[in-house]
Amino acid sequence: EVQLVESGGGLVKPGGSLRLSCAASGFTFSNVWMSWVRQAPGKGLEWVGRIKSKTDGGTTDYAAPVKGTFTVSRDDSKNTLYLQMNSLKTEDTAVYYCTTFRAASFDYWGQGTLVTVSS
Amino acid sequence: QSALTQPRSVSGSPGQSVTISCTGTSSDVGYYNYVSWYQQHPGKAPKLMIYDVSKRPSGVPDRFSGSKSGNTASLTISGLQAEDEADYYCCSYAGTYTFDVVFGGGTKLTVL
Repeated sequence: EVQLVESGGGLVKPGGSLRLSCAASGFTFSNVWMSWVRQAPGKGLEWVGRIKSKTDGGTTDYAAPVKGTFTVSRDDSKNTLYLQMNSLKTEDTAVYYCTTFRAASFDYWGQGTLVTVSS
Repeated sequence: QSALTQPRSVSGSPGQSVTISCTGTSSDVGYYNYVSWYQQHPGKAPKLMIYDVSKRPSGVPDRFSGSKSGNTASLTISGLQAEDEADYYCCSYAGTYTFDVVFGGGTKLTVL
């Protein structure tokens, strides 16, 4: 059974940093492209960033609002995906979901972790 | 990329069919056959219901179907059931020179 468990969310001040983790199990993590999707309170879904598998180059892509401030990385030895968030703004407040990305879709989702950016 | 356009809400009675539209542009929905649909119940994570416009993942009932015409994709739910009441989001690949994905604003389905 595929499981994705996010952690690391919490309250942070504007301009601060936070690192989210996503522990994966139930599939061969190293072979799968992974992604982060966020949802602001009461709002819709927004793609944040994606990382390819190492065999496909391991490269990353980001949505325009977070490019240059967020970094997606992976540790295949730990089956873990990360999202490093720097220079956080109040508009980054959201539930952040870790997802697998296969067949051009987000096929499995974690339960999400809430990030609140507030002074 | 702008968000895809979905109706804010739709409704139907048990047993009926409803269709949710998702309108994009010739750069996303109209160009790629990479439209997916997600169901989200309150307080829960989204769940993939349709991918590649019309394919269903294992375990998704065949009451759910997807289609596309031009720049508009559609999700049809037939034989509505109470548990279908949820928010539904469409999504399309939208990258030209770089990877990009765009979601719709979401549609609240109410089962009357």
